Amino acid sequence: SQQGEEDPQALSIQEGENATMNCSYKTSINNLQWYRQNSGRGLVHLILIRSNEREKHSGRLRVTLDTSKKSSSLLITASRAADTASYFCATGHGNNRLAFGKGNQVVVIP
Amino acid sequence: EAQVTQNPRYLITVTGKKLTVTCSQNMNHEYMSWYRQDPGLGLRQIYYSMNVEVTDKGDVPEGYKVSRKEKRNFPLILESPSPNQTSLYFCATGRLESPLHFGNGTRLTVT
Repeated sequence: SQQGEEDPQALSIQEGENATMNCSYKTSINNLQWYRQNSGRGLVHLILIRSNEREKHSGRLRVTLDTSKKSSSLLITASRAADTASYFCATGHGNNRLAFGKGNQVVVIP
Repeated sequence: EAQVTQNPRYLITVTGKKLTVTCSQNMNHEYMSWYRQDPGLGLRQIYYSMNVEVTDKGDVPEGYKVSRKEKRNFPLILESPSPNQTSLYFCATGRLESPLHFGNGTRLTVT
């Protein structure tokens, strides 16, 4: 399977703390994307990082990509209760196909 | 406003009764795709389309059909639904090699 795998699969933190999630994959990629899903609703795109990039920021989000280790991490700084959601990594392998991981459930406790 | 519209939002049906889930986008995207989401399995791709009249199988196409007669619409057809197709379905659209925009999902129950 080409899909990414998130780790840990469930994370519970206090509001204000940082949350870090990892994603590992098996084959070479064109890009890696992170999405968020709130309780059964549609996924919302967060960040796309291309295979020739190592780090990207968007607001309180920071994504790193290590193609030598075939892994990526998503850091959410200063978490808020509204960050409670499931987070998915998806690997892009060309022709626009994305392979999604199983997701990582994050609970931020107020 | 950029939108991906799926209908219906919820659907309960019986085994063997043909159904169609519609997906429409107003962003003029070439790429459209259907996913199903099941607990513990993440999102799995059913079918995708790179443009009008071009469709391809994803990872789990069995029991599904699609068509892309016009750019904005990409319906998902279950000719003879079975209980193992009970799932949460998402339509997604995007430009090539760009982020996907997802619909709000269709929760299908087949009894």
